[in-house]
Amino acid sequence: GAVVSQHPSRVICKSGTSVKIECRSLDFQATTMFWYRQFPKQSLMLMATSNEGSKATYEQGVEKDKFLINHASLTLSTLTVTSAHPEDSSFYICSADPSGGDLSTNTQYFGPGTRLTVL
Amino acid sequence: KNQVEQSPQSLIILEGKNCTLQCNYTVSPFSNLRWYKQDTGRGPVSLTIMTFSENTKSNGRYTATLDADTKQSSLHITASQLSDSASYICVVKGNNRLAFGKGNQVVVIP
Repeated sequence: GAVVSQHPSRVICKSGTSVKIECRSLDFQATTMFWYRQFPKQSLMLMATSNEGSKATYEQGVEKDKFLINHASLTLSTLTVTSAHPEDSSFYICSADPSGGDLSTNTQYFGPGTRLTVL
Repeated sequence: KNQVEQSPQSLIILEGKNCTLQCNYTVSPFSNLRWYKQDTGRGPVSLTIMTFSENTKSNGRYTATLDADTKQSSLHITASQLSDSASYICVVKGNNRLAFGKGNQVVVIP
């Protein structure tokens, strides 16, 4: 099946620093990627939809200036957590669909996730 | 209220035994329902995907059922193995959006 990678797999940083997380589709092109965050024993929560060549679409309540998304190419999207604080500590997961942004077909393939811990 | 409810929240089963996980949803209109397996600290991996017209779908020892009339789905694990220990997430697609359940946490013990 399709493969989505994330880097880094885990990161620990000091409060106030910025952290960049990369999401790559390794064997397919993705015009649309999705960023989620997940708290322990909770559902995945969609943060934003990353669109190649255009601005990301953020879910209600997600600060776009806090979580910067750049979809630089058809295989790479990055999420930057700016001025991170302890409450930003979470598991961040990206996903991509080989068929494009239409969620009506095929399966979304998820990355392995990035564990962010802000001290 | 979450549009996708899963039960039981967690369960412990003996290796080799079967178990069934439940998913009830209120998402409408309905497009498809997916079951994912998520190992601790990892991203979800797709097990099955079913559309409105499909009642059952298998993937090895995993068998999913769907009753679109009652808006219920189940995931049956046959002859459980230690590697089945994970969270099983039910995801329902509707209105071009995905609604995620909180997952069924399964622990298989020897």
